[in-house]
Amino acid sequence: DAGVTQSPTHLIKTRGQQVTLRCSPKSGHDTVSWYQQALGQGPQFIFQYYEEEERQRGNFPDRFSGHQFPNYSSELNVNALLLGDSALYLCASSPGAGGSETQYFGPGTRLLVL
Amino acid sequence: GENVEQHPSTLSVQEGDSAVIKCTYSDSASNYFPWYKQELGKGPQLIIDIRSNVGEKKDQRIAVTLNKTAKHFSLHITETQPEDSAVYFCAASIRGGGADGLTFGKGTHLIIQP
Repeated sequence: DAGVTQSPTHLIKTRGQQVTLRCSPKSGHDTVSWYQQALGQGPQFIFQYYEEEERQRGNFPDRFSGHQFPNYSSELNVNALLLGDSALYLCASSPGAGGSETQYFGPGTRLLVL
Repeated sequence: GENVEQHPSTLSVQEGDSAVIKCTYSDSASNYFPWYKQELGKGPQLIIDIRSNVGEKKDQRIAVTLNKTAKHFSLHITETQPEDSAVYFCAASIRGGGADGLTFGKGTHLIIQP
């Protein structure tokens, strides 16, 4: 049973560019959450997708946007990259809409903005 | 919004001894408290979680306690082993699990000395 997968594993961009990160949830999971983890910090919640809609959003600017596809996979897009966007981006999936299920994390995509 | 404080930031213990990591949270509406272990280059892995209707939960060498009145919860690891060395994060959420973004602490780097 494959866990949460993310691509690419590493990415280097320059300021002002745009980036798209991808996530495939664990089999049987329909909810995807995205987190940003700066070096030496805990993950920070960006947003959550369920039924192809953004269900909840953390304190991140509109430069951060996302999408969920009918097969439950998801993309995170970041526009107008800043140096401060350099971080590990984590995707987590969970099953069902009941709200009582555990979030399982992928290995992350490490983004470096130069 | 929710704020989670975690202490200590670094904890060094002798192999075989116990380790305790403490967290406090600010939002009394929070009712789900997971603990994650993160090894170098990997995503966070859930090790144990507790919900607000339970005061303590145990899984082999790992236990979590929750004091809702004090808004405080702790992770206890007994008989520590070298493979327990990692960064540990506590988190909290209001609706619990998959239906809500998690708010994380800043992490504790646990070092097991041989």
